[in-house]
Amino acid sequence: DADVTQTPRNRITKTGKRIMLECSQTKGHDRMYWYRQDPGLGLRLIYYSFDVKDINKGEISDGYSVSRQAQAKFSLSLESAIPNQTALYFCATSKAGTAAYNEQFFGPGTRLTVL
Amino acid sequence: GEDVEQSLFLSVREGDSSVINCTYTDSSSTYLYWYKQEPGAGLQLLTYIFSNMDMKQDQRLTVLLNKKDKHLSLRIADTQTGDSAIYFCAETWNYGQNFVFGPGTRLSVLP
Repeated sequence: DADVTQTPRNRITKTGKRIMLECSQTKGHDRMYWYRQDPGLGLRLIYYSFDVKDINKGEISDGYSVSRQAQAKFSLSLESAIPNQTALYFCATSKAGTAAYNEQFFGPGTRLTVL
Repeated sequence: GEDVEQSLFLSVREGDSSVINCTYTDSSSTYLYWYKQEPGAGLQLLTYIFSNMDMKQDQRLTVLLNKKDKHLSLRIADTQTGDSAIYFCAETWNYGQNFVFGPGTRLSVLP
């Protein structure tokens, strides 16, 4: 079974609709992240959370919001989707702690198309 | 801000060596990583190197780190078609609380 799951895997929606992407993990990690991937731009960080009560904006948070419902769940919302939010979205997790090593474990991605 | 740069594309013939390069900007980076993204999948850690090392070898993979030039490279020996993927360089610092990924290099392996 996958340790980091994302739902849905694919979604097509229309401009102006509200969309929620969900991420669940069974790794027991405290840290969770949302990225978007666009061709030629690599991964860009949208939001991250180092524990349930901690939410931080990333590089490109405008137009997005998140909710950390539990240690294992981190949801990304697009309040009013627009076409330039069409992208591949990834959730990732990592261990907390004072160690400098920070491997991130990625979900399979959600392909979102906004028409 | 911190930035990680990589060339976007690399093509090699099957059986040749591939060298993927990365430059990073934060001199306090403690770990540097190479992630691999296969088609239709998320990223997976391929290998990493601690900043006090110059080289790390793991089977067909060799990572070289030049701290003076802030340059990291990944060499894949005897490249196979299954190595076709996007390779991301990443760095972390500040006890892992700060991190950034490069734009990724798409490696195409030609028969």
